[in-house]
Amino acid sequence: QKEVEQDPGPLSVPEGAIVSLNCTYSNSAFQYFMWYRQYSRKGPELLMYTYSSGNKEDGRFTAQVDKSSKYISLFIRDSQPSDSATYLCASHPYSSASKIIFGSGTRLSIRP
Amino acid sequence: KAGVTQTPRYLIKTRGQQVTLSCSPISGHRSVSWYQQTPGQGLQFLFEYFSETQRNKGNFPGRFSGRQFSNSRSEMNVSTLELGDSALYLCASSPGSDSQETQYFGPGTRLLVL
Repeated sequence: QKEVEQDPGPLSVPEGAIVSLNCTYSNSAFQYFMWYRQYSRKGPELLMYTYSSGNKEDGRFTAQVDKSSKYISLFIRDSQPSDSATYLCASHPYSSASKIIFGSGTRLSIRP
Repeated sequence: KAGVTQTPRYLIKTRGQQVTLSCSPISGHRSVSWYQQTPGQGLQFLFEYFSETQRNKGNFPGRFSGRQFSNSRSEMNVSTLELGDSALYLCASSPGSDSQETQYFGPGTRLLVL
């Protein structure tokens, strides 16, 4: 079993829709949770970075972590065609910031 | 600030050869991590260097090695290339001194092994 599981998609939604991306993780030591966005032929770009449980909002993006169920979510409001990319969830324990474990990524397409 | 840069961007090699990839971190960042990204396995951690020393290591064979120079630039070497080594190799940098910080990725080097 992978430590971070993510549905690979692809997921296609119309412009303006609310997008929900989800991951589960198995390692209770994970304390930090991230969402990265990766455009084709580019490196991953950090979108959201949260610690422990709770919500964090940044513009149209909201990250949610539920440590009791080991569930990580990213919500995108008012989705735009420019949001079309692969979204990677990731996590690491407190003691190893560099040893990030990534999900496999969900490919998202926003239809104009 | 300039971002993380990686060279070369694309590389074609044949089985059995070796390859060296280079990464220049964001100015002031002392930690450099390397990842392999493939469609089947996703992003997998290779190793991390901090102040010229390997600080963390993933589960890759000894054919994969790296080093870091005093200016924090890093190189990754893969010897005796196999077809399965075809992948996007990503480098990420961070300041390196705090467990709460995160990493910033370069554009990657796409390696094709024939």
